[in-house]
Amino acid sequence: SYVLTQPPSVSVAPGQTARITCGEDNIGSKSVHWYQQKPGQAPVLVVYDDSDRPSGIPERFSGSNSGNTATLTITRVEAGDEADYYCQVWGGTSDHNYVFGTGSKVTVL
Amino acid sequence: QVQLVESGGGVVQPGGSLRVSCAASGFAFSSYAMHWVRQAPGKGLQWVALISYDGGNKYYADSVKGRFTISRDNSNNKLYLQMNSLGGDDSAVYYCARAMSGGGSSFDYWGQGTLVTVSS
Repeated sequence: SYVLTQPPSVSVAPGQTARITCGEDNIGSKSVHWYQQKPGQAPVLVVYDDSDRPSGIPERFSGSNSGNTATLTITRVEAGDEADYYCQVWGGTSDHNYVFGTGSKVTVL
Repeated sequence: QVQLVESGGGVVQPGGSLRVSCAASGFAFSSYAMHWVRQAPGKGLQWVALISYDGGNKYYADSVKGRFTISRDNSNNKLYLQMNSLGGDDSAVYYCARAMSGGGSSFDYWGQGTLVTVSS
């Protein structure tokens, strides 16, 4: 079973770049998805299949995945990006389990 | 536009049962697999269950297997989660979420959730 490890918190100044990592052995062989969750709201998909963006998600959100680490990058960070972010993978047909990361709180200074 | 609206949450005693529902609109419900995901207060997200587009295949997290049952009514665009033998660890906001089409493993739309509290 997967354990997706994320840093509990990431702090970034407005206009700078935030990078949120998601670690697991050989995660590069899986498709990784990322969700943004603001307080009191449902999660929103911001990146899927490692690096694709759903319609309506700004280009400032991008993803990459290689080796043992997947990364969500938010460029030109805005106050409205302050939220919890979760990575997620699927365990595959042998382990029909959908696993979420531990979550990272992004704070805009 | 895609809308998912959960209902049926509430307070239930330990060992009790509850059924939560999700009403779907704005898309061809019968063409999509659907999930339940939960979030305990102040905690992270946990996948609970998946049902295929036609209800023919169902999968569960180990923590709920044998106690929870996912089902759907495609004629009425409804998704359900029957929860039995509830314990304190089951207290959470329960979200229904749509599986991305094309065999993807992400959840592309979520409802606002319904709160289930297990307490005596």
